[in-house]
Amino acid sequence: NAGVMQNPRHLVRRRGQEARLRCSPMKGHSHVYWYRQLPEEGLKFMVYLQKENIIDESGMPKERFSAEFPKEGPSILRIQQVVRGDSAAYFCASSPGQPYGYTFGSGTRLTVV
Amino acid sequence: QQPVQSPQAVILREGEDAVINCSSSKALYSVHWYRQKHGEAPVFLMILLKGGEQKGHEKISASFNEKKQQSSLYLTASQLSYSGTYFCGTTLQETSGSRLTFGEGTQLTVNP
Repeated sequence: NAGVMQNPRHLVRRRGQEARLRCSPMKGHSHVYWYRQLPEEGLKFMVYLQKENIIDESGMPKERFSAEFPKEGPSILRIQQVVRGDSAAYFCASSPGQPYGYTFGSGTRLTVV
Repeated sequence: QQPVQSPQAVILREGEDAVINCSSSKALYSVHWYRQKHGEAPVFLMILLKGGEQKGHEKISASFNEKKQQSSLYLTASQLSYSGTYFCGTTLQETSGSRLTFGEGTQLTVNP
């Protein structure tokens, strides 16, 4: 089992560009979550998705951020017109549902220059 | 509501014990514990469900006091490999895919 696959591991974008982060969940896991982590800080929930559905997006900023989990292919977190404050590690996690734990991907470190 | 972890940081010598606490002001369905090493992904340690229970994982165990809405993680006879940041995550609902809300973390350093 390959685990949760995230790519790219590192992404550098200039201010104003778009960032696309990809996540393929573990086989058999139907629940996908995105978290953001600033250096030396905790994990902040962004969005929870299942195939073709956004279940909970209460942690997503209202503008510039969007997420999807299409019927085919990985989940995508998209950040439009990036700003310096978007620089962070973005982790994807998947789960088969409660009462099981999350498996995290290795994360994408986004740097906005 | 974000759970509150204490202490924020702890430094041990190899072989010493530590306790990390996680408290919530809301009624919890589950408490998860994860460890994250610097520059790496969080790794799942264990989950405890409401009803009050205790679980063990090698020399790392945890308890969940439903009356107090508090969970404690116990690390005994610590090893150098235990160093990292420990996060508790909580869910409020029993629904299958309820999101985890994480505490701010407890940084554990084990020195030789």
